[in-house]
Amino acid sequence: EVQLVESGGGLVQPGGSLRLSCAASGFTFSTSEMSWVRQAPGKGLEWISYISSGGSSKKYADSVTGRFTISRDNAKNSLYLQMDTLRAEDAAVYYCAREISGTMGDAFDIWGQGTLVTVSS
Amino acid sequence: DIQMTQSPSSVSASVGDRVTITCRASQGLSSWLAWYQQKPGKAPKLLIYGASILQRGVPSRFSGSGSGTDFTLTISSLQPEDFATYYCQQGNSFPFTFGPGTKVDIK
Repeated sequence: EVQLVESGGGLVQPGGSLRLSCAASGFTFSTSEMSWVRQAPGKGLEWISYISSGGSSKKYADSVTGRFTISRDNAKNSLYLQMDTLRAEDAAVYYCAREISGTMGDAFDIWGQGTLVTVSS
Repeated sequence: DIQMTQSPSSVSASVGDRVTITCRASQGLSSWLAWYQQKPGKAPKLLIYGASILQRGVPSRFSGSGSGTDFTLTISSLQPEDFATYYCQQGNSFPFTFGPGTKVDIK
Protein backbone atom coordinates (compact mmCIF):
# COMPACT_ATOMS: atom_id res chain seq x y z
CA GLU A 1 0.00 0.00 0.00
CA VAL A 2 1.27 3.43 -0.94
CA GLN A 3 1.54 5.39 2.29
CA LEU A 4 3.07 8.36 4.05
CA VAL A 5 2.93 8.48 7.84
CA GLU A 6 3.95 11.61 9.75
CA SER A 7 5.00 11.71 13.38
CA GLY A 8 6.65 14.05 15.84
CA GLY A 9 3.98 16.68 16.31
CA GLY A 10 2.96 17.96 19.71
CA LEU A 11 2.85 20.91 22.05
CA VAL A 12 5.89 23.19 22.13
CA GLN A 13 6.53 26.58 23.69
CA PRO A 14 7.21 29.64 21.55
CA GLY A 15 10.89 29.70 20.66
CA GLY A 16 11.14 25.95 20.99
CA SER A 17 12.04 23.24 18.49
CA LEU A 18 10.40 20.17 17.06
CA ARG A 19 11.42 17.55 14.49
CA LEU A 20 8.79 16.01 12.28
CA SER A 21 9.28 12.70 10.49
CA CYS A 22 7.50 11.15 7.54
CA ALA A 23 7.84 7.44 6.79
CA ALA A 24 7.19 6.37 3.21
CA SER A 25 6.16 2.94 1.97
CA GLY A 26 4.70 1.32 -1.13
CA PHE A 27 6.60 3.42 -3.67
CA THR A 28 10.18 4.23 -4.61
CA PHE A 29 10.97 6.98 -2.13
CA SER A 30 14.54 7.50 -3.32
CA THR A 31 13.40 8.77 -6.72
CA SER A 32 10.55 10.91 -5.38
CA GLU A 33 10.59 14.64 -4.80
CA MET A 34 8.92 15.55 -1.53
CA SER A 35 7.38 18.56 0.16
CA TRP A 36 5.87 19.67 3.44
CA VAL A 37 2.53 21.47 3.40
CA ARG A 38 0.80 22.87 6.47
CA GLN A 39 -2.70 23.94 7.38
CA ALA A 40 -3.45 26.20 10.31
CA PRO A 41 -6.71 25.45 12.17
CA GLY A 42 -9.65 26.46 10.01
CA LYS A 43 -7.38 27.89 7.32
CA GLY A 44 -6.17 26.94 3.87
CA LEU A 45 -3.14 25.03 2.65
CA GLU A 46 0.37 26.50 2.71
CA TRP A 47 3.35 24.90 0.98
CA ILE A 48 6.44 25.37 3.16
CA SER A 49 9.34 23.25 1.88
CA TYR A 50 10.60 21.03 -0.94
CA ILE A 51 13.49 18.61 -1.33
CA SER A 52 14.73 16.90 -4.45
CA SER A 53 15.00 13.13 -4.69
CA GLY A 54 18.69 13.08 -3.85
CA GLY A 55 18.45 15.85 -1.28
CA SER A 56 20.74 18.31 -3.05
CA SER A 57 18.06 20.88 -3.85
CA LYS A 58 15.91 22.43 -1.13
CA LYS A 59 13.35 25.22 -1.25
CA TYR A 60 11.49 27.08 1.50
CA ALA A 61 8.60 29.47 1.87
CA ASP A 62 9.61 32.91 3.14
CA SER A 63 7.56 32.28 6.30
CA VAL A 64 9.92 29.51 7.44
CA THR A 65 13.25 30.35 5.77
CA GLY A 66 16.07 30.36 8.30
CA ARG A 67 14.01 28.55 10.95
CA PHE A 68 12.99 25.25 9.31
CA THR A 69 15.26 22.67 7.65
CA ILE A 70 14.08 19.87 5.39
CA SER A 71 16.11 16.68 5.00
CA ARG A 72 15.72 13.07 3.98
CA ASP A 73 17.28 9.65 4.46
CA ASN A 74 16.63 7.53 1.40
CA ALA A 75 18.09 4.45 3.07
CA LYS A 76 15.36 4.74 5.71
CA ASN A 77 12.61 5.92 3.32
CA SER A 78 12.13 8.93 5.56
CA LEU A 79 11.59 12.65 5.25
CA TYR A 80 12.21 15.14 8.04
CA LEU A 81 11.40 18.71 8.99
CA GLN A 82 13.47 20.35 11.72
CA MET A 83 11.52 23.30 13.08
CA ASP A 84 13.37 25.82 15.25
CA THR A 85 12.39 29.13 16.83
CA LEU A 86 8.75 28.20 16.62
CA ARG A 87 6.12 30.91 16.69
CA ALA A 88 2.42 30.89 17.50
CA GLU A 89 1.67 31.26 13.80
CA ASP A 90 3.46 27.96 13.06
CA ALA A 91 0.67 26.05 14.80
CA ALA A 92 -0.88 23.81 12.16
CA VAL A 93 -1.36 20.31 10.85
CA TYR A 94 1.78 19.44 8.92
CA TYR A 95 1.49 17.12 5.94
CA CYS A 96 4.26 15.48 3.97
CA ALA A 97 3.43 14.97 0.32
CA ARG A 98 4.98 13.30 -2.69
CA GLU A 99 5.42 15.56 -5.64
CA ILE A 100 4.81 14.62 -9.24
CA SER A 101 6.65 16.86 -11.61
CA GLY A 102 7.26 17.07 -15.27
CA THR A 103 5.91 18.73 -18.36
CA MET A 104 2.51 19.26 -16.71
CA GLY A 105 3.88 21.08 -13.67
CA ASP A 106 4.21 20.05 -10.06
CA ALA A 107 1.40 18.58 -7.98
CA PHE A 108 1.10 16.44 -4.86
CA ASP A 109 -0.34 12.98 -5.45
CA ILE A 110 0.32 11.21 -2.14
CA TRP A 111 -0.32 12.82 1.24
CA GLY A 112 0.19 11.67 4.78
CA GLN A 113 -2.54 11.90 7.41
CA GLY A 114 -0.89 14.93 9.01
CA THR A 115 0.63 15.65 12.40
CA LEU A 116 -0.56 18.48 14.63
CA VAL A 117 1.88 21.06 15.95
CA THR A 118 0.66 23.35 18.73
CA VAL A 119 2.76 26.32 19.79
CA SER A 120 1.71 27.74 23.12
CA SER A 121 3.10 28.67 26.51
CA ASP B 1 5.23 34.97 -5.68
CA ILE B 2 2.24 33.86 -7.72
CA GLN B 3 -1.04 34.70 -6.01
CA MET B 4 -4.04 32.43 -6.46
CA THR B 5 -7.66 33.43 -6.07
CA GLN B 6 -10.79 31.28 -6.22
CA SER B 7 -14.44 32.04 -6.71
CA PRO B 8 -16.86 31.57 -5.22
CA SER B 9 -15.57 31.12 -1.69
CA SER B 10 -18.55 28.89 -0.99
CA VAL B 11 -21.42 27.40 -2.94
CA SER B 12 -24.57 25.65 -1.82
CA ALA B 13 -25.75 22.98 -4.22
CA SER B 14 -27.96 19.93 -4.44
CA VAL B 15 -27.16 16.38 -5.46
CA GLY B 16 -27.20 16.22 -9.24
CA ASP B 17 -26.28 19.88 -9.73
CA ARG B 18 -23.49 21.02 -12.00
CA VAL B 19 -20.91 22.97 -10.01
CA THR B 20 -18.18 25.19 -11.45
CA ILE B 21 -15.30 26.67 -9.47
CA THR B 22 -12.93 29.25 -10.91
CA CYS B 23 -9.26 29.79 -10.08
CA ARG B 24 -7.20 32.74 -11.24
CA ALA B 25 -3.44 33.20 -11.06
CA SER B 26 -1.58 36.50 -10.82
CA GLN B 27 0.84 35.32 -13.52
CA GLY B 28 0.57 32.93 -16.43
CA LEU B 29 0.93 29.26 -15.49
CA SER B 30 0.66 27.64 -18.90
CA SER B 31 -1.21 24.49 -17.83
CA TRP B 32 0.62 23.97 -14.55
CA LEU B 33 -2.35 23.94 -12.24
CA ALA B 34 -3.74 21.26 -9.92
CA TRP B 35 -7.03 20.80 -8.07
CA TYR B 36 -7.54 19.09 -4.71
CA GLN B 37 -10.52 17.97 -2.67
CA GLN B 38 -10.35 18.07 1.12
CA LYS B 39 -12.90 16.73 3.58
CA PRO B 40 -12.91 17.77 7.26
CA GLY B 41 -10.13 16.15 9.26
CA LYS B 42 -8.63 14.51 6.17
CA ALA B 43 -5.64 15.16 3.95
CA PRO B 44 -6.18 16.78 0.56
CA LYS B 45 -6.74 14.48 -2.40
CA LEU B 46 -5.38 15.24 -5.85
CA LEU B 47 -8.16 15.41 -8.44
CA ILE B 48 -6.60 17.04 -11.49
CA TYR B 49 -3.13 18.13 -12.55
CA GLY B 50 -1.81 19.77 -15.67
CA ALA B 51 -5.06 21.80 -15.60
CA SER B 52 -7.11 19.01 -17.20
CA ILE B 53 -5.54 15.61 -16.52
CA LEU B 54 -7.71 13.47 -14.28
CA GLN B 55 -5.75 11.71 -11.54
CA ARG B 56 -6.08 7.93 -11.63
CA GLY B 57 -9.13 6.74 -9.72
CA VAL B 58 -10.95 10.08 -9.73
CA PRO B 59 -14.50 9.90 -11.12
CA SER B 60 -15.06 11.28 -14.59
CA ARG B 61 -17.70 13.74 -13.32
CA PHE B 62 -14.72 15.89 -12.33
CA SER B 63 -13.08 17.88 -15.11
CA GLY B 64 -10.66 20.75 -15.38
CA SER B 65 -10.00 23.32 -18.05
CA GLY B 66 -8.10 26.51 -18.70
CA SER B 67 -4.61 27.77 -19.31
CA GLY B 68 -2.58 30.87 -18.64
CA THR B 69 -4.23 32.65 -15.73
CA ASP B 70 -7.81 31.37 -15.70
CA PHE B 71 -8.86 27.84 -14.78
CA THR B 72 -12.06 25.99 -14.00
CA LEU B 73 -13.00 22.87 -12.05
CA THR B 74 -16.37 21.40 -12.98
CA ILE B 75 -18.34 18.71 -11.21
CA SER B 76 -20.91 17.61 -13.78
CA SER B 77 -23.38 15.97 -11.41
CA LEU B 78 -22.75 16.54 -7.72
CA GLN B 79 -22.76 13.42 -5.57
CA PRO B 80 -23.17 13.21 -1.77
CA GLU B 81 -19.48 12.37 -1.35
CA ASP B 82 -18.45 15.52 -3.23
CA PHE B 83 -19.41 17.91 -0.44
CA ALA B 84 -15.98 19.21 0.56
CA THR B 85 -13.56 22.09 0.15
CA TYR B 86 -11.70 22.42 -3.14
CA TYR B 87 -8.31 24.07 -3.61
CA CYS B 88 -6.34 25.01 -6.70
CA GLN B 89 -2.53 25.03 -6.62
CA GLN B 90 0.01 26.44 -9.03
CA GLY B 91 2.86 24.11 -9.92
CA ASN B 92 4.69 26.55 -12.13
CA SER B 93 7.31 27.95 -9.79
CA PHE B 94 8.46 28.07 -6.17
CA PRO B 95 6.97 28.93 -3.80
CA PHE B 96 4.06 26.75 -4.77
CA THR B 97 0.85 28.48 -3.76
CA PHE B 98 -2.70 27.38 -3.15
CA GLY B 99 -5.95 29.20 -3.65
CA PRO B 100 -7.98 30.06 -0.52
CA GLY B 101 -10.46 27.26 -1.16
CA THR B 102 -14.09 26.86 -2.20
CA LYS B 103 -16.46 25.10 0.17
CA VAL B 104 -19.21 23.10 -1.49
CA ASP B 105 -22.03 22.39 0.90
CA ILE B 106 -25.55 21.07 0.80
CA LYS B 107 -28.34 23.40 -0.19
